[in-house]
Parts: sequence; structure tokens; C-alpha cells
Amino acid sequence: AQRVTQPEKLLSVFKGAPVELKCNYSYSGSPELFWYVQYSRQRLQLLLRHISRESIKGFTADLNKGETSFHLKKPFAQEEDSAMYYCALSGLGAGNMLTFGGGTRLMVKP
Amino acid sequence: DADVTQTPRNRITKTGKRIMLECSQTKGHDRMYWYRQDPGLGLRLIYYSFDVKDINKGEISDGYSVSRQAQAKFSLSLESAIPNQTALYFCATSDPGPANTGELFFGEGSRLTVL
Repeated sequence: AQRVTQPEKLLSVFKGAPVELKCNYSYSGSPELFWYVQYSRQRLQLLLRHISRESIKGFTADLNKGETSFHLKKPFAQEEDSAMYYCALSGLGAGNMLTFGGGTRLMVKP
Repeated sequence: DADVTQTPRNRITKTGKRIMLECSQTKGHDRMYWYRQDPGLGLRLIYYSFDVKDINKGEISDGYSVSRQAQAKFSLSLESAIPNQTALYFCATSDPGPANTGELFFGEGSRLTVL
């Protein structure tokens, strides 16, 4: 069975501070990991995928297979980063069926 | 703009009533999904469909049924609604073709309250 855990339901930081949203997973095979974001009054949308190894809106995430983690990081938080963030896992060949974590609400204070 | 549209956006109903949530998409994607969102639990998969003739149960299918009327339409039904089905429901689509990135495209959600 696959499982995604986001230990923090709420993370509050000041503008300009570093941010790290934690994500741990359990999966016996080779997972694909994603971060989705839901801004206020907007639909859930993909932020980044581990396969792409890209930085989106200043966010990066590295897949650590040894620690089974996929933490989302940004060196300097902005107020517009305030949103709900979901880590998600797709098993190889699972047809894009994602297993989501419980979500972390990020609040960036001015 | 290609989109995923859910109706109704909000619905309040009573215990025991039958409810249908509808999803239509103009993205041309074969794969469609219904998720349920509850605070602290994230999104959980209810049902998914890889094409018109394909229906599969997800993690929490009990109490729900679906119908894939066409490539573009995927409906979720609650035959006899109960209060613990109060939640935000999301429809999503994905593209399994050469452009498959694993990305899901979500609708805006349907908030259902069962009294």
C-alpha cells in the first residue's frame, strides 16, 4: 500500500524566511512524487514533479529515497505563497492515480 | 480554454436523498477521477475511469456510484446521502498519451452538505 504523510497541518512563517514543507511517503516500488498547491479561491494545480527537477515559483523538492521524503523548500517565502500544499505519490504504472497527503496550510505573514 | 467543469458548485441536502454531482471536460482526456477532500485527510480517491467502458473503485467507494456517459462526462452519485459524506468533491482528468506527465487537472470542486 502507498501512503503519504505531511506531519504539519499548519506552517506559519514571516515574509523572507526560509520555508520547508515536509512530506514522507511509503511505497514499495519506484514512486513518482508531486507537489500540488491550492491558492485561495483557485483550483488545485500542479506545482512541481520530482522527475522534472525544476524550480517553480522559487520552490524546489528533492526526492530522498533513503529517507523516503520529498520535502518542498523555498529560501525566501513571499506572501503570495500562502496556500494549501499537498504532497502526492503515484506508483509506477498506476495510471496517474495519486495518493495525497493530508495537506499543509502555509501562511506567510508580512 | 480547455477546462474541467463541475456542477453543482454547492449543494445542501438531507439524509437519505439521492444526489448526483456532474463533471464535464473539454480537455479531450480519456482518464477521469473523483476525489473527496476532508480537512486533515487530504484528497481520497472515490472512483476512476480510464475510458468510457472502464470504471474502477478507488480507496473509498462505499456509498458512491459513478457513470461515464461519454469521454467528456463523469458523474458521481450518492444513492442515499448520509452526514459523513459532507465534503468537498473534486473531479480530475489526466492524459495518458505521449504527453503524459502524471499531472491531474482539477475542477473547481463541489461542496456537498448532508444534514
